[in-house]
Amino acid sequence: DSGVTQTPKHLITATGQRVTLRCSPRSGDLSVYWYQQSLDQGLQFLIQYYNGEERAKGNILERFSAQQFPDLHSELNLSSLELGDSALYFCASSVGTSGYLDTQYFGPGTRLTVL
Amino acid sequence: AQTVTQSQPEMSVQEAETVTLSCTYDTSESNYYLFWYKQPPSRQMILVIRQEAYKQQNATENRFSVNFQKAAKSFSLKISDSQLGDTAMYFCAFMKHADKLIFGTGTRLQVFP
Repeated sequence: DSGVTQTPKHLITATGQRVTLRCSPRSGDLSVYWYQQSLDQGLQFLIQYYNGEERAKGNILERFSAQQFPDLHSELNLSSLELGDSALYFCASSVGTSGYLDTQYFGPGTRLTVL
Repeated sequence: AQTVTQSQPEMSVQEAETVTLSCTYDTSESNYYLFWYKQPPSRQMILVIRQEAYKQQNATENRFSVNFQKAAKSFSLKISDSQLGDTAMYFCAFMKHADKLIFGTGTRLQVFP
């Protein structure tokens, strides 16, 4: 158990809908990362938050947004869903500073299926 | 931009034997970190081992060790005394300080009894 939790584990929805994925980082970690794992794109970085502030953006679609709350949990919002958004979405957390402790630990992922 | 290449899509090994998974990367950074993550059928991403680029000594974690060649930009993973539970997808990853992970495409390892 990495200490990172994600809910829900599975999500099945229809095209055009909106969903919210939730992540709670490990105790003491300030940084949260979101990754998408799909068959054709592999593991892709979406977005990073550090202590409530957006720190970096990757290949995140405009239909997707995220935020990190004062208690450090994070939510990834996916809207106007398309079939191609079906994927495994991972959250990872780290202390957020450089050095030995800056290792990302992953949650169990949320499997999103868009029908 | 940094890239990570895993040239072995699939590998197999017999139980108790040793196997080495290859990874090369490209970067102009001098300080960075390298990781191997394991993804078993459960799809959980599990940290296997990590290496700081400024350390010349190769990292080891029990049966797992790396061969880090900074000049050659190579970071291979050696699994000794392979076990059935080692069957998984293995991802090599690169990271700058407090930055995102950049993953390779993965190597699927099958351990046979």
